[in-house]
Amino acid sequence: GESVGLHLPTLSVQEGDNSIINCAYSNSASDYFIWYKQESGKGPQFIIDIRSNMDKRQGQRVTVLLNKTVKHLSLQIAATQPGDSAVYFCAETISGGYNKLIFGAGTRLAVHP
Amino acid sequence: GAVVSQHPSWVICKSGTSVKIECRSLDFQATTMFWYRQFPKQSLMLMATSNEGSKATYEQGVEKDKFLINHASLTLSTLTVTSAHPEDSSFYICSANEPTANTEAFFGQGTRLTVV
Repeated sequence: GESVGLHLPTLSVQEGDNSIINCAYSNSASDYFIWYKQESGKGPQFIIDIRSNMDKRQGQRVTVLLNKTVKHLSLQIAATQPGDSAVYFCAETISGGYNKLIFGAGTRLAVHP
Repeated sequence: GAVVSQHPSWVICKSGTSVKIECRSLDFQATTMFWYRQFPKQSLMLMATSNEGSKATYEQGVEKDKFLINHASLTLSTLTVTSAHPEDSSFYICSANEPTANTEAFFGQGTRLTVV
């Protein structure tokens, strides 16, 4: 959903552990969801997406889970690496329109060696 | 994936002056681009939808006379921050949808604006 004036929560993990980042979205009409990774001073980078007709999608080392009942998304990163350290945002949209994205609050992932 | 380029990457300007930020889709045509603003440690907030050949659509609370958007071609949208003030200092990011990529949006690298 929309975030206003929120500061980013931080998830700290050890290198090699699995990470789970959660996101609540606000619009029950949203049918397309995307996870983005943002490194300091850069624009968001696409990680993985999922449509509302699915509840799970896997990529390379990443898995996205969608629970439409409670309007919740999660991003799972397997064998987290130092290069995964960044801020992660979920975004929601209604496909078929202008594809306007609404971003969640974001979570900072800190990976420690 | 498709490439979206922003220019400049950073800019420092004096209070009261105007600053123009460019967003270009380098290898595809984008009839629609989006402009976001991001304050430190916060999320991206959509400012406006830029439509090629027509007026931009602004989100609630965004002053259209202060943030002028021009989308004169299928590969270029510009955001001009007019009469900039220190509170306009932020990270401005554009995105565009590549038609064959369905709904995935591609983002520029962002522009850090500092108004002194």
